[in-house]
Amino acid sequence: EVQLVESGGGLVQPGGSLRLSCVASGFTFSTYSMNWVRQAPGKGLEWISYISHSSVTIFYAESVKGRFTISRDNAKNSLYLQMNSLRDEDTAVYYCAGDSNWSFDHWGQGSLVTVSS
Amino acid sequence: QSALTQPASVSGSPGQSITISCTGTSSDVGSYDLVSWYQQHPGKAPKLMIYEVSKRPSGVSNRFSGSKSGNTASLTISGLQAEDEADYYCCSYAGSNTFDWVFGGGTKLTVL
Repeated sequence: EVQLVESGGGLVQPGGSLRLSCVASGFTFSTYSMNWVRQAPGKGLEWISYISHSSVTIFYAESVKGRFTISRDNAKNSLYLQMNSLRDEDTAVYYCAGDSNWSFDHWGQGSLVTVSS
Repeated sequence: QSALTQPASVSGSPGQSITISCTGTSSDVGSYDLVSWYQQHPGKAPKLMIYEVSKRPSGVSNRFSGSKSGNTASLTISGLQAEDEADYYCCSYAGSNTFDWVFGGGTKLTVL
């Protein structure tokens, strides 16, 4: 069974930092491109970052560029998102999502990040 | 990139068919056959229902179908069932100048 399990969310003050993790099982993680997608409370989905299977190619949405860093460790079947200079508008549930066939076919359960003073 | 435009809500009775539209631009939906659709039940993660405009992943009911014309993609659900009640999101690749994915604002489907 495919599983993606996020962790690391929580309450952080504006300007603070947080690191999310996502552990994969049930599929060959090292062959999958991975993404982070977020969803603000009561709002829609927003793609924020992509990393290729080998970490060679990385992209970010403009809304997080320069503040967030995506990385992965294929030996640990793990995906990470380092979030710095957090803002109120970064409050959201953060999902890790594997992609194939140009779509997001595996999703984690999400990790809630709340940015508030 | 701006979000794709979806109706806020649609409804239908059990057994009926409904269609959800997703309107983009010539920079996203109109340029790529890379539209996907996701179903999201309250408090749950999204689930892929359609990819590459009209393809169904293994395990997804054939009651779900997708299509595209110009800058508008559509998701049709036939033979509505109570468990289809959920939020539905479309998504399109939009990377003409850079890598980017854009989602629609979501449509709440109510099964009456």
